[in-house]
Amino acid sequence: KNEVEQSPQNLTAQEGEFITINCSYSVGISALHWLQQHPGGGIVSLFMLSSGKKKHGRLIATINIQEKHSSLHITASHPRDSAVYICAPEETSGSRLTFGEGTQLTVNP
Amino acid sequence: GAVVSQHPSRVICKSGTSVKIECRSLDFQATTMFWYRQFPKQSLMLMATSNEGSKATYEQGVEKDKFLINHASLTLSTLTVTSAHPEDSSFYICSVLRFGLRYSYNEQFFGPGTRLTVL
Repeated sequence: KNEVEQSPQNLTAQEGEFITINCSYSVGISALHWLQQHPGGGIVSLFMLSSGKKKHGRLIATINIQEKHSSLHITASHPRDSAVYICAPEETSGSRLTFGEGTQLTVNP
Repeated sequence: GAVVSQHPSRVICKSGTSVKIECRSLDFQATTMFWYRQFPKQSLMLMATSNEGSKATYEQGVEKDKFLINHASLTLSTLTVTSAHPEDSSFYICSVLRFGLRYSYNEQFFGPGTRLTVL
């Protein structure tokens, strides 16, 4: 079973700050997802990556397969970025996802 | 990206009744869909993998007779919570799996979720 740890659990930032959320997992994976969940509950897939780095707007995701670690960065954070961010490794054996506990991000104006 | 819909978005029912939740893949045909459950302040937990044309695969601890899954077509999977009880109150989310295209590996697209409250 893949053990997934995210840090921090809660993060409060001021608008404009650079945000980093970390994710560590314990077993081999084929890919890792970063998801965003807003208060209403709906989930948006932000990234799926299996190596290196991806960038989409103000969001950057990196992964180090050897170290079993991934990070999600938000540059120039904005109050609308306030949400729960979830790391979800995809097991090598299939497409099951194991979910981290999530990081509650609050960005204050 | 693909669009996944769920219906209803919110349902309140009495204890002992059954509730059906639909998950539709609007952009492509999906042989595999997943059902997740999320209790307040907790992360998502996979309940079962729904395969078109065959029986669903349930995760350990999930009662298959209580949570009936029917993947009737390549665009529709349904989850029926039978004889619902207050402890079944939760947020139920489906996702749709699309095999291999852009990145040579699978992509998952999530539905908006269904909030079930059992009184």
